[in-house]
This record gives sequence, C-alpha cells and structure tokens, in this order.
Amino acid sequence: DAGVIQSPRHEVTEMGQEVTLRCKPISGHDYLFWYRQTMMRGLELLIYFNNNVPIDDSGMPEDRFSAKMPNASFSTLKIQPSEPRDSAVYFCASSPQAYSNQPQHFGDGTRLSIL
Amino acid sequence: SQKIEQNSEALNIQEGKTATLTCNYTNYSPAYLQWYRQDPGRGPVFLLLIRENEKEKRKERLKVTFDTTLKQSLFHITASQPADSATYLCAPNSYDKVIFGPGTSLSVIP
Repeated sequence: DAGVIQSPRHEVTEMGQEVTLRCKPISGHDYLFWYRQTMMRGLELLIYFNNNVPIDDSGMPEDRFSAKMPNASFSTLKIQPSEPRDSAVYFCASSPQAYSNQPQHFGDGTRLSIL
Repeated sequence: SQKIEQNSEALNIQEGKTATLTCNYTNYSPAYLQWYRQDPGRGPVFLLLIRENEKEKRKERLKVTFDTTLKQSLFHITASQPADSATYLCAPNSYDKVIFGPGTSLSVIP
C-alpha cells in the first residue's frame, strides 16, 4: 500500500521565487490536509480539502499561500513570492474522514529553505 | 483559545523502564484524543486513539489514559527500548478541529 507521497523532499530557493509543493494522497481518502511544522510553532494546519473542495483555509498565513486540489489524487501548495520566514517542513496528510476517530496518514514532508 | 501542552522538557529514561508522557489541553472539549510518533525527517505516524468515554486504551506495550475532568491524557510505554526514542505528539480532536501538541522528545538510553 502506497502511503502519502510528497515531492520534492527538499527545496532550497531564493527569496522572491515561486515554490510549488506536491502531494499525492492515499487512494480512497476523501480528506487532504496541508500542515507546516517549525520548532517555534509546532505542527500547524494550513488548509484542508474534502472531495477536492477547500473546506477550511483559515490557517493559511497570507495571500502569498495558495492550495489547489484539481483531482482526488493530486494537490499543490504554492508560495509566491517566497520569504525566508516561510522556511519550514510542510506536510501533507490524508484521511477517510476529518475530525473523527480516523487517524491522519502523513507524508514525509518537504523541507523548504528560503534564502 | 485552545491550548495544548506536553512535557516541557525532553524525557530521558533507562531501557526497560516505563516512560510516561503528559498531554494537557485547555478551552477545548475533544471527543477523541490521538497519539502520534514522529521520527527525525519523517512525518507523524498514528499510534493510538482514545474516545472521551474511554478511560484507558492499550496496544502492546502502549497505554493511554484520558481524563476529561482533568483535561489530561497520559501516554505510557512499558519495557521501553532504544527503538522507542522519538518525538510523541498528542492530538485532541473535536468535531470541528484537530490541534497537535508541541510534542515530547523521548530518549531511551541503553
């Protein structure tokens, strides 16, 4: 069984550049979550989708961040323009349900460094 | 606002002993509480879930308790092994949100 797949695993880019992070959820999971993890703030929910529709984007820090889910097997998180404070590990997770007794299945993250 | 606290310090214990990790939450009434394990460079991995009407849940060497009066969950690893060294995250889960705690780093010393 393939788990949640994220790419790239590492990204280093200069401030001002556009960054696109990718996620393939587990097949059959209706919910997809994007998180950001830093030492200071821990694991924070950015946005989540249900059946490809964004449900709650209240965690998206600024308009520079956007997320899409064009189909059930693919999602992107885009930062444009990127800033050094965006440096973090970004995780994607999927689940059969949200906010219930179903666990979330996480990918191994994208470590993003903005210089 | 909702707040979750876990052991503020890293936990170092001797192999074979029982590790006890604490998760406290405030301004929150979770219906479920989940525990995850995270290894360096990896995403969190689900370990156990306990419901609000359950006092205790066990899985192999793991035991979780949930006290809704104290607003606290305890996570125990018995007969700890060096392979149990990791960061452990609690995640109280209500019907409209899940918030992850900051995590506790556990080191089991051989």
